[in-house]
Amino acid sequence: DAGVTQSPTHLIKTRGQQVTLRCSPKSGHDTVSWYQQALGQGPQFIFQYYEEEERQRGNFPDRFSGHQFPNYSSELNVNALLLGDSALYLCASSPRDIREKLFFGSGTQLSVL
Amino acid sequence: QKEVEQDPGPLSVPEGAIVSLNCTYSNSAFQYFMWYRQYSRKGPELLMYTYSSGNKEDGRFTAQVDKSSKYISLFIRDSQPSDSATYLCAMSAIGTGGSYIPTFGRGTSLIVHP
Repeated sequence: DAGVTQSPTHLIKTRGQQVTLRCSPKSGHDTVSWYQQALGQGPQFIFQYYEEEERQRGNFPDRFSGHQFPNYSSELNVNALLLGDSALYLCASSPRDIREKLFFGSGTQLSVL
Repeated sequence: QKEVEQDPGPLSVPEGAIVSLNCTYSNSAFQYFMWYRQYSRKGPELLMYTYSSGNKEDGRFTAQVDKSSKYISLFIRDSQPSDSATYLCAMSAIGTGGSYIPTFGRGTSLIVHP
């Protein structure tokens, strides 16, 4: 049973560019949440998707957007990249009946130069 | 004041020691409490999940929640070098969208030396 998979594992971009990160949830999970983790900090909630809609959003600007597909996979898009967007981006999936119980992927390490 | 406070450490202990990791919180609406373990360059792994005050045991791990003091702990018995990792506490309250969204502490770095 595959867990949460994320791609790519590493990414280097320059300021002002746009990036798309991808996530496939664990089998049987319908909910995907995205988190940003800066070095030495805990994960910060970006947003949560289920039933192909954004259900909740953390304190992140509109440059951060997402999408969930009918097969429950998800994308995170970040526009107009800033140096401060450099971080580990984590995707977590959870089952319908326990959405707070998160199962994380290994993350995408984004470096903005 | 942050909603969830966690000492970043590092906490260094000898193999076989009992480890105590702690978090305090300010939001009395938090209802679910979790501990995650994160190895370097990996995603967090769920270790313990609990709802009520009191203790919950799973193998060498015991999670303790004291809602009256807004204080949670994770105890690791017979610690091993493989336990060396960052331990994140997380707790959740219901959000505007109807789901419980976990809020994480910054993590405590644990080093277990042979």
